[in-house]
Amino acid sequence: GAGVSQTPSNKVTEKGKYVELRCDPISGHTALYWYRQSLGQGPEFLIYFQGTGAADDSGLPNDRFFAVRPEGSVSTLKIQRTERGDSAVYLCASSPRTVTYNEQFFGPGTRLTVL
Amino acid sequence: EDKVVQSPLSLVVHEGDTVTLNCSYEVTNFRSLLWYKQEKKAPTFLFMLTSSGIEKKSGRLSSILDKKELFSILNITATQTGDSAVYLCAVALIQGAQKLVFGQGTRLTINP
Repeated sequence: GAGVSQTPSNKVTEKGKYVELRCDPISGHTALYWYRQSLGQGPEFLIYFQGTGAADDSGLPNDRFFAVRPEGSVSTLKIQRTERGDSAVYLCASSPRTVTYNEQFFGPGTRLTVL
Repeated sequence: EDKVVQSPLSLVVHEGDTVTLNCSYEVTNFRSLLWYKQEKKAPTFLFMLTSSGIEKKSGRLSSILDKKELFSILNITATQTGDSAVYLCAVALIQGAQKLVFGQGTRLTINP
């Protein structure tokens, strides 16, 4: 079966522009996570969806960042008024919902470069 | 603040050597510790550890957790050039989100 897919794989934009990053999780996975990985660092949690709702958005750095998952499958991470410090790889992961913890399956990421 | 620290940050060895990667953590609401291998972009799952002292093994890789001293090690024996990657340690928290808190990673380079 297909894994987690993310588009685009690379995005170059100018400071101040708006960008959207898309994540398509593994079919049937109800949990979806966004992480941001800066150069030389481990991924940092941004937001978690269980179904359609954002159950935990405590990792979003400020109100320029927003994410949706309207039908409980595909998710879009939206960044307004991009800044150079937003440059990073944005990783999406999905996981089946069970009572006990399940591993998160990661997508290949979107490399965002803000000039 | 929840924290995961890996050491060394970078390691270069020759093919055939054995390496040990370290991960220590300070978190509230610990659920489990996970190891991932990241070669290009997508981290791929290696191990999940929840109990102290029980070694998990997969081929030449093995890992163990010490919940008293709050650390884990990842061992790779008879290393091969294909083992070159960034190895990430992460802790899963007992919270609704079960989010992962990652360390900064160890960049392992295996020279032929």
